[in-house]
Amino acid sequence: DQQVKQNSPSLSVQEGRISILNCDYTNSMFDYFLWYKKYPAEGPTFLISISSIKDKNEDGRFTVFLNKSAKHLSLHIVPSQPGDSAVYFCAAKLGGYGNKLVFGAGTILRVKS
Amino acid sequence: EPEVTQTPSHQVTQMGQEVILRCVPISNHLYFYWYRQILGQKVEFLVSFYNNEISEKSEIFDDQFSVERPDGSNFTLKIRSTKLEDSAMYFCASSEALGGYEQYFGPGTRLTVT
Repeated sequence: DQQVKQNSPSLSVQEGRISILNCDYTNSMFDYFLWYKKYPAEGPTFLISISSIKDKNEDGRFTVFLNKSAKHLSLHIVPSQPGDSAVYFCAAKLGGYGNKLVFGAGTILRVKS
Repeated sequence: EPEVTQTPSHQVTQMGQEVILRCVPISNHLYFYWYRQILGQKVEFLVSFYNNEISEKSEIFDDQFSVERPDGSNFTLKIRSTKLEDSAMYFCASSEALGGYEQYFGPGTRLTVT
């Protein structure tokens, strides 16, 4: 199942700089996209989401951009902090009744101080 | 802040045994979900549940699996006869109805089948 892809297994960023995490999808029936953050031995924590009818959503240090024509979304974290170090998952929801989420494989973000 | 809770945090069972994983979703949420993550693999959807019935299930969710909301607060996942390949982290999640697509996850139950 390769419908949601996060091609970068890891990313290392200096504290205070921008972190950009990328996600690509193949299914044009996805109507909602979400980013989750996960620490070891914990469940995914919801960060930010975006509807397919928008191209940008911002919440504090986190901004998600959606490019529907390219089937690409990205999460920007500015400024990056050491506490942001975690695994970040992109997830997409198929239109329909069940609200099933399809997850990417995740990107490990390391923010160096 | 309201959160999803899950018990137990770790369950060890022998192949062929039945297990029940328990979850308490966020109290005003109406949609409930189970996902699992096998070590080194993606988080995978198992089932969604709304209005006391399954609204969607994956091909993984075969006859060995069942879900139940036995009372107003708990949501359970039962595996009738566990297999080695059922070893995984199992996450419960919940979301509001009416367009609340953000799903909030519990801390997970690590299931080890020996």
